[in-house]
Amino acid sequence: QSVLTQPPSVSAAPGQKVTISCSGSSSNIGNNYVSWYQQLPGTAPKLLIYDNNKRPSGIPDRFSGSKSGTSATLGITGLQTGDEADYYCGTWDSSLRGVFGTGTKVTVL
Amino acid sequence: QVQLQQSGPGLVKPSQTLSLTCAISGDSVSSNSAAWNWIRQSPSRGLEWLGRTYYRSKWYNNYAVSVKSRITINPDTSKNQFSLQLNSVTPEDTAVYYCARDRTGDCYYDYWGQGTLVTVSS
Repeated sequence: QSVLTQPPSVSAAPGQKVTISCSGSSSNIGNNYVSWYQQLPGTAPKLLIYDNNKRPSGIPDRFSGSKSGTSATLGITGLQTGDEADYYCGTWDSSLRGVFGTGTKVTVL
Repeated sequence: QVQLQQSGPGLVKPSQTLSLTCAISGDSVSSNSAAWNWIRQSPSRGLEWLGRTYYRSKWYNNYAVSVKSRITINPDTSKNQFSLQLNSVTPEDTAVYYCARDRTGDCYYDYWGQGTLVTVSS
């Protein structure tokens, strides 16, 4: 079961901005880097953000990440219809075991 | 470019063993800077990390507490792949299973397999 808490859904019109929160604890987010993944229907998750705020090559700067204490946030600006997907946060716990968020569905209105 | 190619049956009977394999290209299962993970996803449990194997002068494994008594992840250096075995499965183990790579000390998975839907049913 997912250890990190995310809102079930967020939505906005094309061109607007959305933010997705990821809430954890001192045993996971509080002491480790956070990553974010985008999952399009029927596909594997794709790395969007790593080390809290870094983007892999090929990920547009419309996607951004931040972390404060035991929470993290993913931001998507200039929302596009192609951004409709499920988004997950992830990190490790104090025993170096992977943990993920509950997932957030982004809808472009 | 790293690629992970999964293989294995999509249907397993209750109480039997689920077995999947992940073939690696573009990297080595024996790399000192990578770890090789199994992750599953189901509507009821979301994304769930199951475990990893990695080599740092010797082989190590970490397993999720939820499956620790039933899981084995093994590297196969001759074929540059790693495998998942999950014993005594129940319908609760029905999920899409993914293999994925993470780098040393990094809390992220940069390459993923294509996913395998495994259904536990008689």
